[in-house]
Amino acid sequence: DAKTTQPPSMDCAEGRAANLPCNHSTISGNEYVYWYRQIHSQGPQYIIHGLKNNETNEMASLIITEDRKSSTLILPHATLRDTAVYYCIVVMGAQKLVFGQGTRLTINP
Amino acid sequence: DAGVTQSPTHLIKTRGQQVTLRCSPKSGHDTVSWYQQALGQGPQFIFQYYEEEERQRGNFPDRFSGHQFPNYSSELNVNALLLGDSALYLCASSLRFYEQYFGPGTRLTVT
Repeated sequence: DAKTTQPPSMDCAEGRAANLPCNHSTISGNEYVYWYRQIHSQGPQYIIHGLKNNETNEMASLIITEDRKSSTLILPHATLRDTAVYYCIVVMGAQKLVFGQGTRLTINP
Repeated sequence: DAGVTQSPTHLIKTRGQQVTLRCSPKSGHDTVSWYQQALGQGPQFIFQYYEEEERQRGNFPDRFSGHQFPNYSSELNVNALLLGDSALYLCASSLRFYEQYFGPGTRLTVT
């Protein structure tokens, strides 16, 4: 599975859009980009995934660059409850998720 | 719609003992994966069960074993517990190999 690189931490003001970047320059053609988040001591929560097209659901939007070497998770109107560790994972299917260190996102009031 | 459930929530065991953790998948899911999360680290993949067989395994010793039942629920067994086995054990379910949904985890403490 391709390796991902994420900033260790980010801050965002409540009500603003939170944009979390992820680099995955070695991604292969049949690998998907998945995003999960983990609020302290809880199980990871699935957010969104995509292959090459941009995706949007009720939680977030996923923007994947045309060359697929990077992506951005967008939380459009961040709230305090969005404070969590966000994991970007590249995987073929969802058989074996390999979690890195993720990005610790802090939403400030 | 019940999500993934795990039992027990917390567990304290002594070195050398054996432990069994249980997981019930989300309704409609047929695949169960297990992960170990040490404090301050991301979850690490242990193994995955589909059609009652272990399909994939991570880099964990044979002390870690599992089982999937016909109703798709699953157990994780760990023998000869070590202090280093103290962790949050997470179960995730999915329909085949689509997105995985995680349970709340079982916190295992080995003393």
